Amino acid sequence: NAGVTQTPKFRILKIGQSMTLQCAQDMNHNYMYWYRQDPGMGLKLIYYSVGAGITDKGEVPNGYNVSRSTTEDFPLRLELAAPSQTSVYFCASSDTISGNTIYFGEGSWLTVV
Amino acid sequence: AQSVTQLDSHVSVSEGTPVLLRCNYSSSYSPSLFWYVQHPNKGLQLLLKYTSAATLVKGINGFEAEFKKSETSFHLTKPSAHMSDAAEYFCVVSTTSGTYKYIFGTGTRLKVLA
Repeated sequence: NAGVTQTPKFRILKIGQSMTLQCAQDMNHNYMYWYRQDPGMGLKLIYYSVGAGITDKGEVPNGYNVSRSTTEDFPLRLELAAPSQTSVYFCASSDTISGNTIYFGEGSWLTVV
Repeated sequence: AQSVTQLDSHVSVSEGTPVLLRCNYSSSYSPSLFWYVQHPNKGLQLLLKYTSAATLVKGINGFEAEFKKSETSFHLTKPSAHMSDAAEYFCVVSTTSGTYKYIFGTGTRLKVLA
């Protein structure tokens, strides 16, 4: 039961570098999400997708991009990393059939220095 | 518009005593409500969910929550705290109009004292 798998778990980036956080789910869920969690805060939605080829912005999309070429994969791209992007990133998926329960990956800890 | 408020950012209880974590919500539609637990450096794990069936919802590890529409509350309780319950707890409301979105509370950190 893999569920939602994120890689990498930890990463240190220098200011101005770019990277991609990978996310894959094996539950055939239509909906996928990227959240960030800052210390002492709840989760903020960065981007979400309702199906392959369809993505939309969440609350805090600036500095990020996503794509959804398949049902399974939903990578998050950070362009020109900034210290404000230091955070924990969670990928998640959900489906109406499962009673819209949202399932989370283990998280990716990103530090920008 | 939907919103969720967790009334306590920190709660401390002694091992073996009851746990109460409070959550109030606001929703224009019939909400789905969830409680998730996050242990240090881990992802969020579903404890329980309410989706317009029974108002008293039982979850994993002895937790339960009661949906009270008149009070717009969904408080999480457990009769007897265990050391392993120490974690961050999030109350979540989902929208069901159109696409599915989730609104997260800011979390309650539960500390269990020996």
